[in-house]
Amino acid sequence: EVQLVESGGGLVQPGRSLRLSCAASGFTFDDYAMHWVRQAPGKGLEWVSGISWNSGSIGYADSVKGRFTISRDNAKNSLYLQMNSLRAEDTALYYCAKEKGIRRAPFWAFDIWGQGTMVTVSS
Amino acid sequence: QSALTQPPSASGSPGQSVTISCTGTSSDVGGYNYVSWYQQHPGKAPKLMIYEVSKRPSGVPDRFSGSKSGNTASLTVSGLQAEDEADYYCSSYAGSKGYVFGTGTKVTVL
Repeated sequence: EVQLVESGGGLVQPGRSLRLSCAASGFTFDDYAMHWVRQAPGKGLEWVSGISWNSGSIGYADSVKGRFTISRDNAKNSLYLQMNSLRAEDTALYYCAKEKGIRRAPFWAFDIWGQGTMVTVSS
Repeated sequence: QSALTQPPSASGSPGQSVTISCTGTSSDVGGYNYVSWYQQHPGKAPKLMIYEVSKRPSGVPDRFSGSKSGNTASLTVSGLQAEDEADYYCSSYAGSKGYVFGTGTKVTVL
């Protein structure tokens, strides 16, 4: 079964750091780009960051650029998001999502999603 | 990057059709044929319903269809069923800006 399982969320004070993880199974992880998408409580979806299959291409939303770092370990079938200088507006459910297309043939869509890990930034 | 504009709500009776619009700019929706649509039930993760404007992933009913004209994309749900009641989000590739999602539309089956 294709599955993504996020972990690492929790309550953190403003200005502090948190590292999210996403464990992938059921597919060849190093064939696919991966992304983080977040959803604030009662709000819509927001793309946060993405990384290509070989980590050669990385992108960030303007709202997190310079504070968040995405990475992956293909040997461990894992995706990460290092979040520094956290703000109240970063409070959200963070989803890990898989790109539908393979390697150099993306479809620019997210076909598999995890259940999310909640990050709450508050003093 | 501003969110794509969707109507807050849409509704229809069972068996009817509902169409949701998604308006962006020439830097996202109008510039690429990489519009996708997601269905999200309360408390659940989003589910991919349409990709590359009009293609359906395996397992998605053909009641769901997508199209695009200029800077506006649309999702049509034909033959509405109770289980189609959910939030729907469009998304577009936006080049160097990554991806942008729509504001979301709540579909109600009357």
